[in-house]
Amino acid sequence: NAGVTQTPKFQVLKTGQSMTLQCAQDMNHEYMSWYRQDPGMGLRLIHYSVGAGITDQGEVPNGYNVSRSTTEDFPLRLLSAAPSQTSVYFCASRGNRVSSYEQYFGPGTRLTVT
Amino acid sequence: SQQGEEDPQALSIQEGENATMNCSYKTSINNLQWYRQNSGRGLVHLILIRSNEREKHSGRLRVTLDTSKKSSSLLITASRAADTASYFCATPMEYGNKLVFGAGTILRVKS
Repeated sequence: NAGVTQTPKFQVLKTGQSMTLQCAQDMNHEYMSWYRQDPGMGLRLIHYSVGAGITDQGEVPNGYNVSRSTTEDFPLRLLSAAPSQTSVYFCASRGNRVSSYEQYFGPGTRLTVT
Repeated sequence: SQQGEEDPQALSIQEGENATMNCSYKTSINNLQWYRQNSGRGLVHLILIRSNEREKHSGRLRVTLDTSKKSSSLLITASRAADTASYFCATPMEYGNKLVFGAGTILRVKS
């Protein structure tokens, strides 16, 4: 199993540009989520999904859109990038059992907005 | 706002010494998890302790949980240079659908 994969690894955008960060998992996990990591602040939840067709907001959802059309994929869209969105983005998934709390993380996408 | 807060922010020790990191949280929890992040990499799950457990071991890791004080500690015994990483505690909210992280402890193990 590849686990959780993310593309691209690095991206530089100009203010106002749009892009999609890709995330895929091959573990048949229902739950997937997106976090951003900024220095000294740990990880903060952006959006999450408990299954195909179901998404919800996390702690810092503004400026980001998500959709979940398949169990495997959970893309994160930036519609109009801003310098405040410069960060490292992590996708994660977890198992379907109620007791499966541990999350599996992708390697991250480092985004710089100029 | 952050649920978990780690202490200390940074820790530097010699190889072979023990490393202790602490985490405090604010609300009632079902479980508490610890993750490790090596530089430039994603997070890796280390250990989970449930609210009805007081202590749990996994290899060189020992985690304690005190729900009355809303605190947890992670002890790494006989540390190695490869343990150099950031360590985060995390607590699930809303039936596990939201995982809230602390700011992390940066551990440096000198060889």
